[in-house]
Amino acid sequence: DTAVSQTPKYLVTQMGNDKSIKCEQNLGHDTMYWYKQDSKKFLKIMFSYNNKELIINETVPNRFSPKSPDKAHLNLHINSLELGDSAVYFCASSQVIVLGAPHYGYTFGSGTRLTVV
Amino acid sequence: AQKITQTQPGMFVQEKEAVTLDCTYDTSDQSYGLFWYKQPSSGEMIFLIYQGSYDEQNATEGRYSLNFQKARKSANLVISASQLGDSAMYFCAMREGQGQAGTALIFGKGTTLSVSS
Repeated sequence: DTAVSQTPKYLVTQMGNDKSIKCEQNLGHDTMYWYKQDSKKFLKIMFSYNNKELIINETVPNRFSPKSPDKAHLNLHINSLELGDSAVYFCASSQVIVLGAPHYGYTFGSGTRLTVV
Repeated sequence: AQKITQTQPGMFVQEKEAVTLDCTYDTSDQSYGLFWYKQPSSGEMIFLIYQGSYDEQNATEGRYSLNFQKARKSANLVISASQLGDSAMYFCAMREGQGQAGTALIFGKGTTLSVSS
């Protein structure tokens, strides 16, 4: 069973379109994230949600809107796509870490390669 | 200022040799965690090793070890007995704080490792 699954894996679309990327985790984690990996491979946090509540909302155009219907799902909707939105988008999840408790890592999905033409 | 610095854009090593990938970090938190991830050409993010700021021993996971020097704020990854399959991009990352809900990883720019036979 895939721990963090993203769909689709590849997405090619025209400028101006609206698209969504879906993410689901079956690890029972409390927190989910969206990261963007640009053409230089730099990974930058976009959003994080904890139990459906938005925690981090980095400086991201408001054309990007995350939606978390429940703590196992975090979708990313992008309006009016632009060429600069082309990147690989990673979903990830983690558990809240309690000091002294066993460490829980951050688990990443396999990524969605978005190409805007 | 960058929170995670990886100064080696590319490293080359021969099979069976050891290699060290450098990582320095910047934080004012007393509690933090340091991670290394591997990203092969297939694109997925693979968790390798974790070091907590309060851990007195250097972390080890099979052929991977983390050389943690707290005073120098460095967390270098050592791969022993390199294999061809180790060729990939390697990212150092940090979680600040105690892992409160929604705390995201901050990534370095990565180091590309090439292993030759």
